[in-house]
Amino acid sequence: SQKIEQNSEALNIQEGKTATLTCNYTNYSPAYLQWYRQDPGRGPVFLLLIRENEKEKRKERLKVTFDTTLKQSLFHITASQPADSATYLCALHAGNNRKLIWGLGTSLAVNP
Amino acid sequence: KAGVTQTPRYLIKTRGQQVTLSCSPISGHRSVSWYQQTPGQGLQFLFEYFSETQRNKGNFPGRFSGRQFSNSRSEMNVSTLELGDSALYLCASSLDSGGEQFFGPGTRLTVL
Repeated sequence: SQKIEQNSEALNIQEGKTATLTCNYTNYSPAYLQWYRQDPGRGPVFLLLIRENEKEKRKERLKVTFDTTLKQSLFHITASQPADSATYLCALHAGNNRKLIWGLGTSLAVNP
Repeated sequence: KAGVTQTPRYLIKTRGQQVTLSCSPISGHRSVSWYQQTPGQGLQFLFEYFSETQRNKGNFPGRFSGRQFSNSRSEMNVSTLELGDSALYLCASSLDSGGEQFFGPGTRLTVL
């Protein structure tokens, strides 16, 4: 069956370190993948989109990689700050109907 | 540019009742998607409307329905409410299907 998996366990890191979150998928050939941030009780906020022909995308302290052979995307936050604490969601664009398929998200806590 | 708005923000209903939620997308966005979010299930796709037509549908029972008006505003309706329908209902708009999603603040529905 088609699946998207993100680290189910919360990630705790120290301020200043790099946080790395994983999004794995099976049985998809996504045209692109998106990453969102969600704070408690609020809607997700778009962060980055990476296409299948792009290996890496950067935006300020954020970096996303996309390996279609491994069927994996990695999301990095460098020089992490307590304000980066949130849940991070990945979403795949799957199929000709342009539907977005969402992972369950990974909770990140950055400790001062 | 004004963001996505959802009304009401909070709602308390009893089992068996019905509810209508409203979403106003960002001006110029023709795609509106609805999601249900619960702690255990993550973000579950309900349906997507594009130019007044349902383009995609998730795996929810027929009690969940929606529509989109000519000004792109959208409503979703849940009939015969069940306790399990208690959730955060999120609406997202985008220029096109599967594109960057702009989420509203959500409607918190509690079914007693």
